[in-house]
Amino acid sequence: DAGVTQSPTHLIKTRGQHVTLRCSPISGHKSVSWYQQVLGQGPQFIFQYYEKEERGRGNFPDRFSARQFPNYSSELNVNALLLGDSALYLCASSVRLATYEQYFGPGTRLTVT
Amino acid sequence: GQNIDQPTEMTATEGAIVQINCTYQTSGFNGLFWYQQHAGEAPTFLSYNVLDGLEEKGRFSSFLSRSKGYSYLLLKELQMKDSASYLCAVTPGGATNKLIFGTGTLLAVQP
Repeated sequence: DAGVTQSPTHLIKTRGQHVTLRCSPISGHKSVSWYQQVLGQGPQFIFQYYEKEERGRGNFPDRFSARQFPNYSSELNVNALLLGDSALYLCASSVRLATYEQYFGPGTRLTVT
Repeated sequence: GQNIDQPTEMTATEGAIVQINCTYQTSGFNGLFWYQQHAGEAPTFLSYNVLDGLEEKGRFSSFLSRSKGYSYLLLKELQMKDSASYLCAVTPGGATNKLIFGTGTLLAVQP
């Protein structure tokens, strides 16, 4: 079975630009969460979506937004990129909203110059 | 507030035993996780504790004391491939399974 997949693997953007990151959960998983991991730190929770609705939001500015599609895949959008947005963006999927088992994708490495 | 503390770095010798400690203060608690993360890769699940006590899984064991807000990960018979960052994370519970991570402990295993 395929695990969580994310695209693209790496991305370089310029300050002020917009970026869209994509995530496909494990088949049968209906919940997707997004995390930001800055170098040398642990991942920080950004969003959780379940059945296409936002069910949790971390302490991130409104420049960050996300959505989940009917096939349970998800997009994370970041507007007006700042240098500090450079990080590894991780997607995790789980069967349901509160299932303790969640599986992480390989991440998207975003570099903002 | 939410706070999870773990040592930044540790060094150990191949074949030895190492214990990585984690203390937490969170507004809710529905379980504590340990993840392993190699450089540039995704975190991989190692263990989950929700009740007090020791959970053993092969060379890895994890302990939890909810009254003390304390956990440790014990790695036995260390191998070079165990060199990685070890992340302690708590799920506060409620309606979601979001994780609150510590900064991670970078373990270097030396020959």
